[in-house]
Amino acid sequence: NAGVTQTPKFQVLKTGQSMTLQCAQDMNHNSMYWYRQDPGMGLRLIYYSASEGTTDKGEVPNGYNVSRLNKREFSLRLESAAPSQTSVYFCASVKGTGGDYGYTFGSGTRLTVV
Amino acid sequence: QKEVEQDPGPLSVPEGAIVSLNCTYSNSAFQYFMWYRQYSRKGPELLMYTYSSGNKEDGRFTAQVDKSSKYISLFIRDSQPSDSATYLCAYYSGNTPLVFGKGTRLSVIA
Repeated sequence: NAGVTQTPKFQVLKTGQSMTLQCAQDMNHNSMYWYRQDPGMGLRLIYYSASEGTTDKGEVPNGYNVSRLNKREFSLRLESAAPSQTSVYFCASVKGTGGDYGYTFGSGTRLTVV
Repeated sequence: QKEVEQDPGPLSVPEGAIVSLNCTYSNSAFQYFMWYRQYSRKGPELLMYTYSSGNKEDGRFTAQVDKSSKYISLFIRDSQPSDSATYLCAYYSGNTPLVFGKGTRLSVIA
């Protein structure tokens, strides 16, 4: 089925470990986004890529890095995980920049840092 | 202050009730408003969107924008238990990422 695929779905890390969250879309979308969702905080933008070859910081970029590998794939890396990064992470994509299309979201990655 | 405010709820209503979900915004330059629905342990999905100056109806759902009071609303008629979810409003103001409200959790009781 067409859409946004995130891997893994669940992950437990120890403090200081690193990991990469993967996101791929097969809808030929130009823009891709990484959000985190925490109770009472809503969706907060971490990084985004408006087009292949570009990335920009969002509201909460500290502790994360991203790579737009190609038009389909946008990965999020935690270099040294901290308990404050325990969250649900969502990847999203959109054909243009979001105005009249809306974002398509993946099903999320639940990350726990102990 | 976040540019779009949304009451987190939770909101609990009986089946068949009319539900009103609301957001307030501060920036008059907004172009599009959107409503997303998020079921438990799932990603948000686009429910409907409307331009800053109009209303839009889709089945049991109506999105409304009141520019004079900077208020956006989502009405659900004949609510069903399957409507139980978190509803997030969002706005788009041109070439920047969508900004989301924190979401309102709705429970429709059979």
